[in-house]
Amino acid sequence: AQSVTQLGSHVSVSEGALVLLRCNYSSSVPPYLFWYVQYPNQGLQLLLKYTTGATLVKGINGFEAEFKKSETSFHLTKPSAHMSDAAEYFCAVSRFGNEKLTFGTGTRLTIIP
Amino acid sequence: DAGVIQSPRHEVTEMGQEVTLRCKPISGHDYLFWYRQTMMRGLELLIYFNNNVPIDDSGMPEDRFSAKMPNASFSTLKIQPSEPRDSAVYFCASTAGGSSYEQYFGPGTRLTVT
Repeated sequence: AQSVTQLGSHVSVSEGALVLLRCNYSSSVPPYLFWYVQYPNQGLQLLLKYTTGATLVKGINGFEAEFKKSETSFHLTKPSAHMSDAAEYFCAVSRFGNEKLTFGTGTRLTIIP
Repeated sequence: DAGVIQSPRHEVTEMGQEVTLRCKPISGHDYLFWYRQTMMRGLELLIYFNNNVPIDDSGMPEDRFSAKMPNASFSTLKIQPSEPRDSAVYFCASTAGGSSYEQYFGPGTRLTVT
């Protein structure tokens, strides 16, 4: 069975500072990994995904994540936080690309002006 | 493209009533997913379809919940009878299949059962 652990339900960073959101996964097969963002009262939007190949994945809005198999991690980073990054972020895993997603509990990111 | 369309956006009903949530996936997408989001349980899959056929309904809480996809452009999630613990935001998502893997989410239906 797949599972995802997101460390830190709330993260606050100053505008312009590094954003680091942590995600560790458990999977019995090579996983497909995703980061989604949710703004208030909206659905989820894909930030980036890892399927195969290059382990450093770049996404939208300046975010990137690195798949580290040895650490079973897929942490999300952004070099410089912007006020518009304030949202909830979900890490998710699936066994196969087009089946159900198993989500982590989410991390609420707050940006301090 | 209009994206995934869900209706209604908000639903308030009394315990015991039947509730029907509707979803129109993106045209051409072969997979449709129903998720539920609550504070206690987070985001969890209820059921998903491929080419209108249910593939995995292991997340459907109990017999009070049912989902159908009569054609490629429409799906319903029905709760009968509804209970206060069913209060949540219900999301529909679709994906094209192949190597895309991105699920496109609708705006959700916020259900409140009093």
